[in-house]
Amino acid sequence: GENVEQHPSTLSVQEGDSAVIKCTYSDSASNYFPWYKQELGKGPQLIIDIRSNVGEKKDQRIAVTLNKTAKHFSLHITETQPEDSAVYFCAATQGNTPLVFGKGTRLSVIA
Amino acid sequence: GEEVAQTPKHLVRGEGQKAKLYCAPIKGHSYVFWYQQVLKNEFKFLISFQNENVFDETGMPKERFSAKCLPNSPCSLEIQATKLEDSAVYFCASSHSPPGGNTIYFGEGSWLTVV
Repeated sequence: GENVEQHPSTLSVQEGDSAVIKCTYSDSASNYFPWYKQELGKGPQLIIDIRSNVGEKKDQRIAVTLNKTAKHFSLHITETQPEDSAVYFCAATQGNTPLVFGKGTRLSVIA
Repeated sequence: GEEVAQTPKHLVRGEGQKAKLYCAPIKGHSYVFWYQQVLKNEFKFLISFQNENVFDETGMPKERFSAKCLPNSPCSLEIQATKLEDSAVYFCASSHSPPGGNTIYFGEGSWLTVV
């Protein structure tokens, strides 16, 4: 089955700097890669996703890149703000199989 | 509704007691998913439904755990004879389609503490 590795487990950045979180997956058949943000005591919220027919997707300060050959995908947050502080999860699925999540990255944005 | 509604928000059970959690998916969503999140943040898939039919139960523990999605009722996840290691946040999620088709929306979770 699919296995998703996520790094780093914790990340601290100064406000205004960029943050990058990386994930690798094992199943070459995976074709959908969402990123979720989870704030303390809340459920995960989708922030961006990418499908395997696309290499990059951007939404304001957030971007995701996908390298199918290397089987890795990354989340980029630019101009970080304190409200970006949360735990971020990557996930992967090949369509009919459950979403498999990485173990999360705790991002702290220091004002 | 416009969000996945989970109840109760918090539940405390003594070891050996039963726990039952409920989930109302977003209106119009035919897929429901249950995940368990333990203290180290890891998400473990339990089971999914397409309407009232089990879609995928590969993550469901063979003993003590059961789930249902009946027409015109909230979906439910039941744990018989709870154990300390069942303490976790249980998330329900829903979607228009199987994973990978459309966005999967999560509820706020039900925090189960077994003492």
